[in-house]
Amino acid sequence: DAGVIQSPRHEVTEMGQEVTLRCKPISGHDYLFWYRQTMMRGLELLIYFNNNVPIDDSGMPEDRFSAKMPNASFSTLKIQPSEPRDSAVYFCASSPRTSDTGELFFGEGSRLTVL
Amino acid sequence: RKEVEQDPGPFNVPEGATVAFNCTYSNSASQSFFWYRQDCRKEPKLLMSVYSSGNEDGRFTAQLNRASQYISLLIRDSKLSDSATYLCVVNILTGGGNKLTFGTGTQLKVEL
Repeated sequence: DAGVIQSPRHEVTEMGQEVTLRCKPISGHDYLFWYRQTMMRGLELLIYFNNNVPIDDSGMPEDRFSAKMPNASFSTLKIQPSEPRDSAVYFCASSPRTSDTGELFFGEGSRLTVL
Repeated sequence: RKEVEQDPGPFNVPEGATVAFNCTYSNSASQSFFWYRQDCRKEPKLLMSVYSSGNEDGRFTAQLNRASQYISLLIRDSKLSDSATYLCVVNILTGGGNKLTFGTGTQLKVEL
């Protein structure tokens, strides 16, 4: 079975450029999460969706960040304009509707470097 | 204060040793608790849930103390393959569903 698929796996860009990260959750999973991981702050929840609807975006650092989920099989996280401090690994994760097991299924992550 | 706090380590232990990690959480409304494992440059994966009565999965034992808001993970007879970062995770039930908050992780290095 295909897991959570993220693209790109690696991205190097220059400050000021737009960055778009993509995620395909596991089919049938109703929850989708975007996390950011850095050495200093660990894994931080940015936003999560339930049935394609954003539920909690309190973790989105600022207006430069936006996320969408136009359908059940696709989500994007966009940073515009990007800054060096945005350099991190961005993980997308999904979980099934009935899950209270706390099990999130993570993608392999998108490693972003902003120069 | 962070919602979930862990000692970052690293814990360097010899193969065969027993090692314990602790974690504290600040939100008393936390519903459920978990340990995740993250290998270097990989994604986190669920290791085990933590139940109030304590639970065991092979060499791994997890315990929860709700009164002290404290979670622990014990690894017995540690193997080289146990080397990883262990993330303490707390689940809070919000209006929109489950919200998992991760600690920054404790790094374990098992050596020959």
